[in-house]
Amino acid sequence: EDQVTQSPEALRLQEGESSSLNCSYTVSGLRGLFWYRQDPGKGPEFLFTLYSAGEEKEKERLKATLTKKESFLHITAPKPEDSATYLCAVQADGNDYKLSFGAGTTVTVRA
Amino acid sequence: GAVVSQHPSRVICKSGTSVKIECRSLDFQATTMFWYRQFPKQSLMLMATSNEGSKATYEQGVEKDKFLINHASLTLSTLTVTSAHPEDSSFYICSAPRGANTDTQYFGPGTRLTVL
Repeated sequence: EDQVTQSPEALRLQEGESSSLNCSYTVSGLRGLFWYRQDPGKGPEFLFTLYSAGEEKEKERLKATLTKKESFLHITAPKPEDSATYLCAVQADGNDYKLSFGAGTTVTVRA
Repeated sequence: GAVVSQHPSRVICKSGTSVKIECRSLDFQATTMFWYRQFPKQSLMLMATSNEGSKATYEQGVEKDKFLINHASLTLSTLTVTSAHPEDSSFYICSAPRGANTDTQYFGPGTRLTVL
């Protein structure tokens, strides 16, 4: 069974204080690892897809990296508008594109 | 802009009634859509896969007679919560894969169901 564990559960940052979120995963064969952002009361917003170890993707202050066992989401010089819950999900080979989600990391950035 | 819509965004109903939630893909066709539910401060749990032209496939522990799914067209899937009870109160979210890499799923804004 696919397993996704995110840490920490919650992260409080001062504006400009860079940090990283961790996503550890166990999957029989990884088709892709996904990062989403979710604001309260809204659906997840797609951020990145990573397919193979060593791959990196960036979007504004966010950078996602992937190894064979985990992924990191780095937030550089965060702003209050980066406050959200960040969800990690994996998709295994041959499972009809189903996603298995982690519990998420709730990030709060204070001005 | 949004690529997947849901309607309604919020619904309050009495116990024992049925509620229908619509999920639409905007400007693209989706032969497959997914339905999730999310409890407060918890992550998304996949309920079922909606397949256009065939029956939905349900995850273990999800009652198919309780949560009826109909994929009526290439842009519309509906989830009907039948004989709703307070424990069915939750945030229901749909998703659809889009793009050249159809493994990337885009999510709707969600529907907050409250059963009194």
